[in-house]
Amino acid sequence: DTGVSQNPRHKITKRGQNVTFRCDPISEHNRLYWYRQTLGQGPEFLTYFQNEAQLEKSRLLSDRFSAERPKGSFSTLEIQRTEQGDSAMYLCAIQLGPRGGYTFGSGTRLTVV
Amino acid sequence: EDKVVQSPLSLVVHEGDTVTLNCSYEVTNFRSLLWYKQEKKAPTFLFMLTSSGIEKKSGRLSSILDKKELFSILNITATQTGDSAVYLCAVGRDNTDKLIFGTGTRLQVFP
Repeated sequence: DTGVSQNPRHKITKRGQNVTFRCDPISEHNRLYWYRQTLGQGPEFLTYFQNEAQLEKSRLLSDRFSAERPKGSFSTLEIQRTEQGDSAMYLCAIQLGPRGGYTFGSGTRLTVV
Repeated sequence: EDKVVQSPLSLVVHEGDTVTLNCSYEVTNFRSLLWYKQEKKAPTFLFMLTSSGIEKKSGRLSSILDKKELFSILNITATQTGDSAVYLCAVGRDNTDKLIFGTGTRLQVFP
């Protein structure tokens, strides 16, 4: 148990469909981050929240991507009109403390066919 | 542009060998350097380094940071097959603490 739960674990979708992923930290953390990891690469930053506020979005996050954290606890990441290039592992992370590292959830592996 | 470079990309050793993994970085507003181990799932946290010259140890793993030369090393002594994984280096920047990752070093340990 990493302290961060992500659902679903796997998602296969047809190109053009919308998908939504969810991230649930087991305890309250001010900051929550989303990363994307493709095969053979390290994770890439997508966006992060400080409580409910989305403070930064990467250029990787096109207009088809939207993320929310409505009550400052769980977060969702939605991809509209999926493309094959969206196939990746989507990781959610929280900080372990003000001077600590991150802990990552198990991720959602998206395959767009 | 911020970048984190890891070397070697891949390493194959026998059980009992000692390995050194390298990580160099060019990141503005450096805040911390982190090492993660990744098997067939999400990365698991190993170390966070913020100060130069202070070695962090956990069992057979140790790491040190050189902020003047902008690099870090991760040492694994007496390697075991269970150490086989991708080792990721990441740098946290400014007060956002967002991480910039390298592409990782794939370590394979054979019996």
